[in-house]
Amino acid sequence: GQNIDQPTEMTATEGAIVQINCTYQTSGFNGLFWYQQHAGEAPTFLSYNVLDGLEEKGRFSSFLSRSKGYSYLLLKELQMKDSASYLCAVRASGGSYIPTFGRGTSLIVHP
Amino acid sequence: ETGVTQTPRHLVMGMTNKKSLKCEQHLGHNAMYWYKQSAKKPLELMFVYNFKEQTENNSVPSRFSPECPNSSHLFLHLHTLQPEDSALYLCASSQVGTDEQYFGPGTRLTVT
Repeated sequence: GQNIDQPTEMTATEGAIVQINCTYQTSGFNGLFWYQQHAGEAPTFLSYNVLDGLEEKGRFSSFLSRSKGYSYLLLKELQMKDSASYLCAVRASGGSYIPTFGRGTSLIVHP
Repeated sequence: ETGVTQTPRHLVMGMTNKKSLKCEQHLGHNAMYWYKQSAKKPLELMFVYNFKEQTENNSVPSRFSPECPNSSHLFLHLHTLQPEDSALYLCASSQVGTDEQYFGPGTRLTVT
C-alpha cells in the first residue's frame, strides 16, 4: 500500500513564502502530483514531478527527492487567493496508473 | 462549456430514496472517475472507467452503482444510503496515458 503524509494546516502572511511538505512511502514510484482545491471547488492540477529536482512554474515550485520519499510545494509572494487546500498525490509503479491522494494541507493566508 | 460539469451541486436525500449524480466532460477524454471526499480524509477513489469499461472498483458498497453510457458521461446511482455516505462526490476525467486529471466541482451529498 501507500502512505502519504502532509501537515493538516499551515498559516502564512501575504507576500511571504511558504513550503508545504509531503512525505510518502510507496511500493515503487511513478510520479508525484500537487493539486490546489479552494473551498467548495474542484481540485486543479498544479504540478507533476517524476524525476528528482525542482520544477518551477511562476510563483509555484515543486521539488522531489525520490531517495528520501519527499516532496515540497513552494509558494512565493503569497496572495490572499492562495488560501486553499493543497493535495499531494503519489502514483505507484506497476498496476494502476491512478495516484493516491494525501489528506491535504489547508493553507490560510492572512494580511 | 467548462471542462467537467456535475449535477446537482447539492443533494439532500433520505436513507430510503433513490437518486443519481451526473457528470459530463467536454474535453474529449477517454477515462472517467468517481471520488469521495469526506472531511479530514483523503480523496478516496471509488470507480474508474476507461473507454466506457469499468476497470476499478475500490471495494465500494453496492448501494453505489456507477454507469458510463459513453466516454463523455458518467453517472452514480444511489439507493438506501447511510448517513456516513454524506460527503463531496467528485468526478474527474483524463486521457489515458497522460498524467493530469481534470475534476468537476463536485456534488455535496447529505444523507438524512
